[in-house]
Amino acid sequence: KNEVEQSPQNLTAQEGEFITINCSYSVGISALHWLQQHPGGGIVSLFMLSSGKKKHGRLIATINIQEKHSSLHITASHPRDSAVYICAVPSGSARQLTFGSGTQLTVLP
Amino acid sequence: EAGVTQFPSHSVIEKGQTVTLRCDPISGHDNLYWYRRVMGKEIKFLLHFVKESKQDESGMPNNRFLAERTGGTYSTLKVQPAELEDSGVYFCASSLGRGYTDTQYFGPGTRLTVL
Repeated sequence: KNEVEQSPQNLTAQEGEFITINCSYSVGISALHWLQQHPGGGIVSLFMLSSGKKKHGRLIATINIQEKHSSLHITASHPRDSAVYICAVPSGSARQLTFGSGTQLTVLP
Repeated sequence: EAGVTQFPSHSVIEKGQTVTLRCDPISGHDNLYWYRRVMGKEIKFLLHFVKESKQDESGMPNNRFLAERTGGTYSTLKVQPAELEDSGVYFCASSLGRGYTDTQYFGPGTRLTVL
């Protein structure tokens, strides 16, 4: 069993739909990162969460530290949101990131 | 401010050859991480530097991999000799601190193909 589990692995949505990606983890202590990887490969940090909820534009991320679960929501999805979304938890002495397998999101026009 | 850069962006080599990947972190970032993604699996940690010192290399797969960070600036990751299973995308990331809440800034990655 992976230490960071994401679901779903693949998600296809129509433009405008509300999207939810889930992440559960069994490692780490007190924070979680949501990352975005576009075709072409670059990884961008979207959020760092240690509690509650954060919002940036149409993206909302929530975390429940006690249940070790986080969700990433996208409101009014758009084709440009198509990317791989990855959750990652810092752990270990180096606070290195342990990654989920990623969710491939495709938003159709 | 320049972000994390990696060179080359792509490398295609034959089994048994040597390849050296380079990472230039954000200026002033003492923490530098190497990660890789192979065969569609999740990204995995390789090692961590604080300045020029290796702090954790628990993720290095074997002794064919050698990482250095001379002078605490840029880092290199050498694979010698390369094997087929080394193919993947190698990412470098840097951060100012190494707390749980410190953001790691990723480079664009180097796609390595071993034939």
